[in-house]
Amino acid sequence: ILNVEQSPQSLHVQEGDSTNFTCSFPSSNFYALHWYRWETAKSPEALFVMTLNGDEKKKGRISATLNTKEGYSYLYIKGSQPEDSATYLCAFYNAAGNKLTFGGGTRVLVKP
Amino acid sequence: SAVISQKPSRDICQRGTSLTIQCQVDSQVTMMFWYRQQPGQSLTLIATANQGSEATYESGFVIDKFPISRPNLTFSTLTVSNMSPEDSSIYLCSAPGRGITDTQYFGPGTRLTVL
Repeated sequence: ILNVEQSPQSLHVQEGDSTNFTCSFPSSNFYALHWYRWETAKSPEALFVMTLNGDEKKKGRISATLNTKEGYSYLYIKGSQPEDSATYLCAFYNAAGNKLTFGGGTRVLVKP
Repeated sequence: SAVISQKPSRDICQRGTSLTIQCQVDSQVTMMFWYRQQPGQSLTLIATANQGSEATYESGFVIDKFPISRPNLTFSTLTVSNMSPEDSSIYLCSAPGRGITDTQYFGPGTRLTVL
């Protein structure tokens, strides 16, 4: 059983502040790490797919880093806005499997 | 990219009844995935639906409880049978991108409440 953990489970952020949260995953048989943003009543939306150790990806005010040797990824939100409020999911794809294993998500609430 | 729609978007059902969820993809895909998210839990894979063969179920999920149909390359259904309150979840269907380094595409989900 693959264990993908996200922390914290939830966080409240003041508008304009920056924040970050973690996804940890097994460091063996790594193939890819996905990040999704899931707003209520909408489809989960892909943010990043990361495959290389040391990878850094950026999309607007959101960025992510990847450390495959120690098995973690950080997602950063710079200058949080209310529209950033969502659940952020990471998902691990290992070389031995053909499916994504999801973490429990980090629910972000940005307060005006 | 793929656009995925699901019906119904939500439902409230009585225990002991069954609900069939429909998933439509706007392009042909070999595999479709069915997930559920119980309250406070991770998004968990129920089964992989392949066109022309039996669905492959993950540990803890069985065909009698979650029968799946996959009549063609753009459509699938998931039935939640003999429902109990523990089946109250969000059910999502999904299709893979071009490869495992491509994203997965998801439907908007079906929010099921079982009384």
